[in-house]
Amino acid sequence: DQQVKQNSPSLSVQEGRISILNCDYTNSMFDYFLWYKKYPAEGPTFLISISSIKDKNEDGRFTVFLNKSAKHLSLHIVPSQPGDSAVYFCAASPYNQGGKLIFGQGTELSVKP
Amino acid sequence: DVKVTQSSRYLVKRTGEKVFLECVQDMDHENMFWYRQDPGLGLRLIYFSYDVKMKEKGDIPEGYSVSREKKERFSLILESASTNQTSMYLCASSSPGLAVPYEQYFGPGTRLTVT
Repeated sequence: DQQVKQNSPSLSVQEGRISILNCDYTNSMFDYFLWYKKYPAEGPTFLISISSIKDKNEDGRFTVFLNKSAKHLSLHIVPSQPGDSAVYFCAASPYNQGGKLIFGQGTELSVKP
Repeated sequence: DVKVTQSSRYLVKRTGEKVFLECVQDMDHENMFWYRQDPGLGLRLIYFSYDVKMKEKGDIPEGYSVSREKKERFSLILESASTNQTSMYLCASSSPGLAVPYEQYFGPGTRLTVT
């Protein structure tokens, strides 16, 4: 059973516009949510996170929103740049499981010049 | 600069071979993880370890085992490789004391092909 779901396998946006990547989860017992970015032939790198007690966290061009009632989070990238083209994974950390992460399937973002 | 290294970037093995994938981290992290990444399935946790000589099964441990004899090194073992184990294998490490809770640092991955 997939506890963390990214239902859009791919997304294409124009340079300078907003990219919105979505993630849904089924388990209320998640403590933190993280977004990772992955380029081909490289390991994922951490991008931004949010605690389950917050509803927004912002870092430069990246903002993550958490809607606990809908069990939904989203990553906004504004403005999008060609270098943002990568696969984005959302991940959730269950309470009291010592740092374990459950990942979604990933969304491949393509930012066109 | 934090670093997680994996012994091979690309590996080709035959069905039935015993395969060792090595991972080393230089950050003195307590936790280490092995994932596999497959298209449409994301990253799936195979095994993890909270301490030397300790291991916990992840979501897909069948066909794999692990070894952690030293804090910095976590090995993934495919006892008898099969074609359905062809995948990208990613190692990660983390520590409870990090500034970003639950952040994991990943190695570059090993692309394993079993023929």
